[in-house]
Amino acid sequence: DTGVSQDPRHKITKRGQNVTFRCDPISEHNRLYWYRQTLGQGPEFLTYFQNEAQLEKSRLLSDRFSAERPKGSFSTLEIQRTEQGDSAMYLCASSLGLRTADTGELFFGEGSRLTVL
Amino acid sequence: GIQVEQSPPDLILQEGANSTLRCNFSDSVNNLQWFHQNPWGQLINLFYIPSGTKQNGRLSATTVATERYSLLYISSSQTTDSGVYFCATSRRGSTLGRLYFGRGTQLTVWP
Repeated sequence: DTGVSQDPRHKITKRGQNVTFRCDPISEHNRLYWYRQTLGQGPEFLTYFQNEAQLEKSRLLSDRFSAERPKGSFSTLEIQRTEQGDSAMYLCASSLGLRTADTGELFFGEGSRLTVL
Repeated sequence: GIQVEQSPPDLILQEGANSTLRCNFSDSVNNLQWFHQNPWGQLINLFYIPSGTKQNGRLSATTVATERYSLLYISSSQTTDSGVYFCATSRRGSTLGRLYFGRGTQLTVWP
């Protein structure tokens, strides 16, 4: 399967614990995005990488959230000291951004659903 | 950001019926995508359509960028079409791929 993959698909944790999600983008895609979706809402942008550089962060990304893409391939999203309000679906997407062909068309993974008790 | 409004919020159809979903946006855009979110939460790409018309089987989409709206047409609907349909767009001049989503249209197709 050459799509975007995310792990784990589901995570249940207690308030105050740290959690980490992993995203493997489509192999030739140089751009990677994290979004968050809560019940009844559309996804909201969190952050964006071009290769290994984190180029943009939303105000939604509080200090407890950190994202990395160390080698420009897979990415991790860590949430420290989780709160019940962090319960959501965390979606990863990737796109191919080239000077000659840059549409911004996103392809999403299946998401990682977080439940904080 | 950019405001994205979708209508109707809910739609209930009998199998075989046709439907039109609408997406209005508040600014000039450089990207517009339609997605179907399946029951497991994955967003499935339907169309990348910042302008013009495209068709894929029973689905087609039209974006009139100058009038700031897009339409998704579903013909001869099937029960497998059920789910939430999202329109998403990014404002011209902003980061490509930083999409703003509407709240979606929840489609239910009955046999």
